Amino acid sequence: NAGVTQTPKFQVLKTGQSMTLQCAQDMNHEYMSWYRQDPGMGLRLIHYSVGAGITDQGEVPNGYNVSRSTTEDFPLRLLSAAPSQTSVYFCASRATGSSYNEQFFGPGTRLTVL
Amino acid sequence: KQEVTQIPAALSVPEGENLVLNCSFTDSAIYNLQWFRQDPGKGLTSLLLIQSSQREQTSGRLNASLDKSSGRSTLYIAASQPGDSATYLCALVSLNQGGKLIFGQGTELSVKP
Repeated sequence: NAGVTQTPKFQVLKTGQSMTLQCAQDMNHEYMSWYRQDPGMGLRLIHYSVGAGITDQGEVPNGYNVSRSTTEDFPLRLLSAAPSQTSVYFCASRATGSSYNEQFFGPGTRLTVL
Repeated sequence: KQEVTQIPAALSVPEGENLVLNCSFTDSAIYNLQWFRQDPGKGLTSLLLIQSSQREQTSGRLNASLDKSSGRSTLYIAASQPGDSATYLCALVSLNQGGKLIFGQGTELSVKP
């Protein structure tokens, strides 16, 4: 299994540009989520999904869009990039169930917005 | 609101020492607690997962304990090695916050040869 994969690894954008961060998992996990990690702020939840066709907002959803058309993929869209969105973005997945199973994280995407 | 705190923020120890990393939380209503390791510039690697009904989990030189009543978890690393140098994060799923994973700020560990 490849686990959770993310592309690209690095990206530089100009203010106002849009882009999509890709995330895929091959573990048939229903729950997927996006976090951003910033110095001094820790990891914060952006959006999450409990299954195909179902998404919801996390702590810091403004400026980001998600969709979940398949179990495997959960892309994160930046609609109009701003310098405040410079961060490291992590995608995560886990199996669902009453015990809230172990979460697995991707390698991250380092995004710089100029 | 659930808050997760990790103390100390940074720790430096000589190789071979046994050490304990601390994680405290304010609300005992949790599903589970997970310890991660993060190397510089890398993603998060899951180390141990403790369900709320469990007291501890072990994997190799690592042992994690959970005491819900006192709101504490510890990660014990035996016979530390330079390769253990990394940031260690604890995170928990809170019953009262929709299954969201809530992270501490992490402890940056440096093991000197």
